[in-house]
Amino acid sequence: AQSVTQLDSHVSVSEGTPVLLRCNYSSSYSPSLFWYVQHPNKGLQLLLKYTSAATLVKGINGFEAEFKKSETSFHLTKPSAHMSDAAEYFCVVSDRDGGYNKLIFGAGTRLAVHP
Amino acid sequence: NAGVTQTPKFRVLKTGQSMTLLCAQDMNHEYMYWYRQDPGMGLRLIHYSVGEGTTAKGEVPDGYNVSRLKKQNFLLGLESAAPSQTSVYFCASSHGQGSSYEQYFGPGTRLTVT
Repeated sequence: AQSVTQLDSHVSVSEGTPVLLRCNYSSSYSPSLFWYVQHPNKGLQLLLKYTSAATLVKGINGFEAEFKKSETSFHLTKPSAHMSDAAEYFCVVSDRDGGYNKLIFGAGTRLAVHP
Repeated sequence: NAGVTQTPKFRVLKTGQSMTLLCAQDMNHEYMYWYRQDPGMGLRLIHYSVGEGTTAKGEVPDGYNVSRLKKQNFLLGLESAAPSQTSVYFCASSHGQGSSYEQYFGPGTRLTVT
């Protein structure tokens, strides 16, 4: 079965500094991976997804993630944090369960951005 | 185009009471899902539906029932609420079922069972 581990439950950065949110996955085959963002009291929004095309994936709001098979990692980065980036971020892997592709969520990383 | 909407936004129940959460989507999606979100655990799938009139169990189905009588609606029922069901419930929908299909999420329902 697939699983995903988000290595930090909380990350705090200053506005204008880089963001790194770490995610490792386990998979018995080539996975599909996603990052979702959840702003306070809102639903989840897809930031980006990897589905075995380019290993560097660009998403919305300046975020990107790199799929590294050798490290089984899919870390999320952004060169310069903005106050509006403060939210919870979920790394997600798609797992095959019979005829159904289900999403396996990591526990989440809460990003705080300070002025 | 409202996307995915959920009713109600908040609810407090006493142990043993019943209630139904309503999810509606206006994107003509075939697939719909109910998740619960608990602190430190991410989202876990309760039930899902691959089309009108069909439902299936997810990862944590016990204590919940669902129905998909209309394509645009997916109902989640709690027949006898328990404190362990205190959680935030999210509904989602997708056009297709493969990994390339994005799931669109509703804003959530915060349920407290006392």
